[in-house]
Amino acid sequence: KNEVEQSPQNLTAQEGEFITINCSYSVGISALHWLQQHPGGGIVSLFMLSSGKKKHGRLIATINIQEKHSSLHITASHPRDSAVYICAGLNNNDMRFGAGTRLTVKP
Amino acid sequence: KAGVTQTPRYLIKTRGQQVTLSCSPISGHRSVSWYQQTPGQGLQFLFEYFSETQRNKGNFPGRFSGRQFSNSRSEMNVSTLELGDSALYLCASSLAGTGRSPLHFGNGTRLTVT
Repeated sequence: KNEVEQSPQNLTAQEGEFITINCSYSVGISALHWLQQHPGGGIVSLFMLSSGKKKHGRLIATINIQEKHSSLHITASHPRDSAVYICAGLNNNDMRFGAGTRLTVKP
Repeated sequence: KAGVTQTPRYLIKTRGQQVTLSCSPISGHRSVSWYQQTPGQGLQFLFEYFSETQRNKGNFPGRFSGRQFSNSRSEMNVSTLELGDSALYLCASSLAGTGRSPLHFGNGTRLTVT
């Protein structure tokens, strides 16, 4: 069983919809990253969290360290948000990645 | 400000050979971390260097090694290449480390082992 589980694996949405991607982890972590990977491989860091909530534009990330859960929300989704979203938890000097959520936003 | 630069972009090697990949971080960033991405295993953490010292290490065999120079540039070496080492190798730089500040990724080196 992967120590970092993401859901859903695949997500298709209509433009304008509110999107939530979930990340649960079975080990204690000190920080969590949300990453975005577009076709072609380039990875962009969206957020780094160790507690609470962060917002950047239409993106919101939350984390509950005690419940071992983080969520990434996208408001007013747009086709350019289509990408793979990956969470990664830092644990005891190691970093474990989720398998990713493939998001497709249709116009 | 220049981004993270990885060289080369593509590399083809034969099983048993060794390979060295290079990563130049964003100016001022002291942390460089390395990752392997394959279709089967996804993203996996290799190691992190901070101010020339290895600070964190993932679960990879000793054939995978790295170093960081005084100008923060980092190299990753893989010896005795195996077919399963074929992957996209990514590096990322950060100001204060993987657990303290955001990561800035390079475009990766795609290694093919034949």
